[in-house]
Parts: sequence; structure tokens; C-alpha cells
Amino acid sequence: AQSVSQHNHHVILSEAASLELGCNYSYGGTVNLFWYVQYPGQHLQLLLKYFSGDPLVKGIKGFEAEFIKSKFSFNLRKPSVQWSDTAEYFCAVNPRPNTGTASKLTFGTGTRLQVTL
Amino acid sequence: GAGVSQSPSNKVTEKGKDVELRCDPISGHTALYWYRQSLGQGLEFLIYFQGNSAPDKSGLPSDRFSAERTGGSVSTLTIQRTQQEDSAVYLCASSFFAGGSSYEQYFGPGTRLTVT
Repeated sequence: AQSVSQHNHHVILSEAASLELGCNYSYGGTVNLFWYVQYPGQHLQLLLKYFSGDPLVKGIKGFEAEFIKSKFSFNLRKPSVQWSDTAEYFCAVNPRPNTGTASKLTFGTGTRLQVTL
Repeated sequence: GAGVSQSPSNKVTEKGKDVELRCDPISGHTALYWYRQSLGQGLEFLIYFQGNSAPDKSGLPSDRFSAERTGGSVSTLTIQRTQQEDSAVYLCASSFFAGGSSYEQYFGPGTRLTVT
């Protein structure tokens, strides 16, 4: 079974600081990788995704993530955070099965980002 | 376009009562998923539908939980004889599925269930 680790549980940054949130997964096969964001009082929204190809993927609102296969990592980055980035961020994976069926997402425990003015 | 919708948004019920939670996926999405989000357990998978069949029910915590999907669209998650530990936010997601591959999942706003 796959698992996802997010090492930072709570991160506090000042506006304009750079952000990097760690995500590591454990799975023996090929996976799809995602970052979701949950703003206060809102539902989960897709921030970015990786299926194949260029391991550096760009998402909405200036976020990007890099898939490093050898490290089983998919870290989220943003060069300069804004107060409006205050939210909870979830890394998620699902296996890419050969059986022609879809598959469930396995989530990390989430990282709460607080951006101060 | 319209996203995933769920109803009710909030449900308070007494321990021992049955509840039904509804999910309307994005039109054209053949895959539908139920998850729950709670403080102690994070985001957990419950069940997944492809069309009207459920190839993966591995996350249902007990036989008090069941789900169905009709017409390849709306899904209902039923919890019988609710317990306090069932209190959580129940999330529904849907995704496009074609050519043997699934795509990213889009989540609804959730139903917050409180069992008193």
C-alpha cells in the first residue's frame, strides 16, 4: 500500500518569504502526484498535478513542484508567498494501475501554512 | 462550469440514527469517490465508483457504511446506527476516466456530520 509523508505540520512565514513544503511517498510502482490546497472555510482545490513528462510542474497562483523519482519526493515551492496563501496544503498520490481502473488518492497529513504581514 | 455538489452541507444527528449523504459529480465524470476528513485521521478514502459499480470499497470502516450510485451520476453514502466516532466531514470527488486512465479528482464542499 502507498503512503505519503509531509514533514512540516505547521509553517509560519512572513510575506515575500520563499516556501518549500516537503512531500515523500512510498510506493513500488508508478504514481500520479498532486498538491491540493484548502483555504479557510473552503473545499479542497487542486493546486497542481504530475502525471508524466517534465518533472517540474507549474500550478496556479505561482506554485510549482518538482518530482524527483530517485528520492520519491514531490516538494511544493513558491518563490514569494502572499498573505492570501494562508491555507492547509495536502500532498496526495495515486497509483497508475495497469488494470484500467481508476484509483484512490492517498493523502499526507497536511501542512498548515500561516503567512504573516 | 458546475463543480461537485454535496448535500446537506451540515447534518447533526443523534447517536443511533441513520443518515444519508448525497453527492452530485461533475457532469461527464464517470469515476466518483468518497473520502472523510477528521482531526484525528486526516483524509481517508472510503469507496470509489466507476459507473455504477464499486471496484474498491476497502476504506469503508464498518458494515454500517454503505454507498450506491445510480445512473452513473448521483451517489448516496448511508451510515446506519451512527456513532460519535462517525463525526467528520464527508467529501465526495469525481474524475474523468477514459482510455484506461483516470484523471485528477475534483472535490465537493463536503458534508459536516456531527453525531451527538
